[in-house]
Amino acid sequence: GAGVSQSPRYKVAKRGQDVALRCDPISGHVSLFWYQQALGQGPEFLTYFQNEAQLDKSGLPSDRFFAERPEGSVSTLKIQRTQQEDSAVYLCASSPRAEKLFFGSGTQLSVL
Amino acid sequence: SQELEQSPQSLIVQEGKNLTINCTSSKTLYGLYWYKQKYGEGLIFLMMLQKGGEEKSHEKITAKLDEKKQQSSLHITASQPSHAGIYLCGADKSYNTDKLIFGTGTRLQVFP
Repeated sequence: GAGVSQSPRYKVAKRGQDVALRCDPISGHVSLFWYQQALGQGPEFLTYFQNEAQLDKSGLPSDRFFAERPEGSVSTLKIQRTQQEDSAVYLCASSPRAEKLFFGSGTQLSVL
Repeated sequence: SQELEQSPQSLIVQEGKNLTINCTSSKTLYGLYWYKQKYGEGLIFLMMLQKGGEEKSHEKITAKLDEKKQQSSLHITASQPSHAGIYLCGADKSYNTDKLIFGTGTRLQVFP
């Protein structure tokens, strides 16, 4: 596709449930980022991939958060045993190396 | 750690008025990005500034980076309802990195 695609668009989960969020970056983009955006806040960095290598995961809030990009293209952000504080919009962005980020529309996660 | 502060947090202007949004960093900015976000959508890239004193314009939006590279302003001339949204400044966390940190955003409303 022409842009970064994220799915699902909306996700409602019961507390304790595991969720998986998908990101399809722009074809050929080396870098892929995940951000978490709470209501009324700017995006907060979670993790960064260059191709299949996860170079920085310093922003992941706990070990319940896990991200992968096994073939250097599609990425999945997994959250285990979701908590209410995990409710946020999860944004994925990709870029050709060291250039501006192209963002997807995000997945809005609501944990009840 | 580097933080970005934006002001004002929200702005309501009448159509046709000019406005300015500021972004201030506690540390030297290696790259400063302006993005716009509409409710429920991802971030749209507006402009990137890298050199001290640099100024860029696109349509009715002008962004400047001060000489010390610690402050940027975004100026909209003759605002229109289509300018409404959340404006976010982002900065490279350090030299030669793709990882961006963001300010908390400025919510702009333009009424006819």
